[in-house]
Amino acid sequence: AQKVTQAQTEISVVEKEDVTLDCVYETRDTTYYLFWYKQPPSGELVFLIRRNSFDEQNEISGRYSWNFQKSTSSFNFTITASQVVDSAVYFCALSVLGAQKLVFGQGTRLTINP
Amino acid sequence: KAGVTQTPRYLIKTRGQQVTLSCSPISGHRSVSWYQQTPGQGLQFLFEYFSETQRNKGNFPGRFSGRQFSNSRSEMNVSTLELGDSALYLCASSLTGEQYFGPGTRLTVT
Repeated sequence: AQKVTQAQTEISVVEKEDVTLDCVYETRDTTYYLFWYKQPPSGELVFLIRRNSFDEQNEISGRYSWNFQKSTSSFNFTITASQVVDSAVYFCALSVLGAQKLVFGQGTRLTINP
Repeated sequence: KAGVTQTPRYLIKTRGQQVTLSCSPISGHRSVSWYQQTPGQGLQFLFEYFSETQRNKGNFPGRFSGRQFSNSRSEMNVSTLELGDSALYLCASSLTGEQYFGPGTRLTVT
């Protein structure tokens, strides 16, 4: 069975601070995919990134960056120079090869204060 | 390209009734998945359809069912509604593994 843990339930920072959201996963499969989604107050889940288990290269997209470390089963997400618009609930998720089923963590509510 | 659409957006039903929710995937996407989101249980996978066939199923009772049509549109049905079925129901469509979600249907059971 797969499991995703987001230990940080809520994070509150002041605008322009950097913030890292932690994600730890469990799976016995050797081929799997990791995702991050953003859920603003409107409720829709917005896709941010997908990584496969064979690609540990870190990724940067503007102010967003992701650090994937198989050795610690972690896939952390960092927002640099946070902005109020980054306020949302962020979910980390896992799926295994051949299955479209996403297993989600409990989410981290991020609040960026002006 | 239009995103995933779900109808209705809000729904209020009474215990014991049944409900049908609809999802139209992104054009060209053949896989449609359904998820239930509640404050207590978080986001949970219900089922996934591909080419009108259910490929994966989550751990939900038989009251929850779904189907997919030849145009990839999907419906999910919940029969004999219970108070605990109150939730945000999210639909996602996929072409190559990345799932794109719709705005959800918020169901309230009274």
